[in-house]
Amino acid sequence: RKEVEQDPGPFNVPEGATVAFNCTYSNSASQSFFWYRQDCRKEPKLLMSVYSSGNEDGRFTAQLNRASQYISLLIRDSKLSDSATYLCAVGDNFNKFYFGSGTKLNVKP
Amino acid sequence: GAVVSQHPSWVICKSGTSVKIECRSLDFQATTMFWYRQFPKQSLMLMATSNEGSKATYEQGVEKDKFLINHASLTLSTLTVTSAHPEDSSFYICSARFGLSNQPQHFGDGTRLSIL
Repeated sequence: RKEVEQDPGPFNVPEGATVAFNCTYSNSASQSFFWYRQDCRKEPKLLMSVYSSGNEDGRFTAQLNRASQYISLLIRDSKLSDSATYLCAVGDNFNKFYFGSGTKLNVKP
Repeated sequence: GAVVSQHPSWVICKSGTSVKIECRSLDFQATTMFWYRQFPKQSLMLMATSNEGSKATYEQGVEKDKFLINHASLTLSTLTVTSAHPEDSSFYICSARFGLSNQPQHFGDGTRLSIL
């Protein structure tokens, strides 16, 4: 079983839509959680950390559900520029990150 | 803040050449640096983790004699792909982190390596 799993998508949504991705992790002792965005043929860029109480940054909301071992990312009012692959990352307490394989989002006009 | 620079961005060279890639944290001291490889349409694959001044820890299946990692200072790590072959062609990305594992990793621009 993979450490971190994501639905690869693609999610095809119209501009202005709200879209949500989930990412499940297998290690209940995981300590830290992040969402990254990766554009085609580019490096991943940190989108936001995910805190236990949930956190919001503009149109983006991240949540952590420890009981069910998943994190989520909600994007409101989708823009064309949100089209990218979204990677979740889960850190254990031994210095290591595990990345999901990414969920591809296509926002269409 | 948290800028990581990777150089070169592109390398095209002949089979058998050794290629050196540099990863620098420009505005913070990186306690730990990571090297990843990503094949087209696949996820990031961690190759090795390095802490300044100590030997790198390689992931299973990654040959340490093939992929030499040096982390000589808190702001610089290098990856040398020795005697590269076409199957080594990939997108190599470094990341750097300050502090403990609850801190995010910040990625360099990546190096696209093509071996002819």
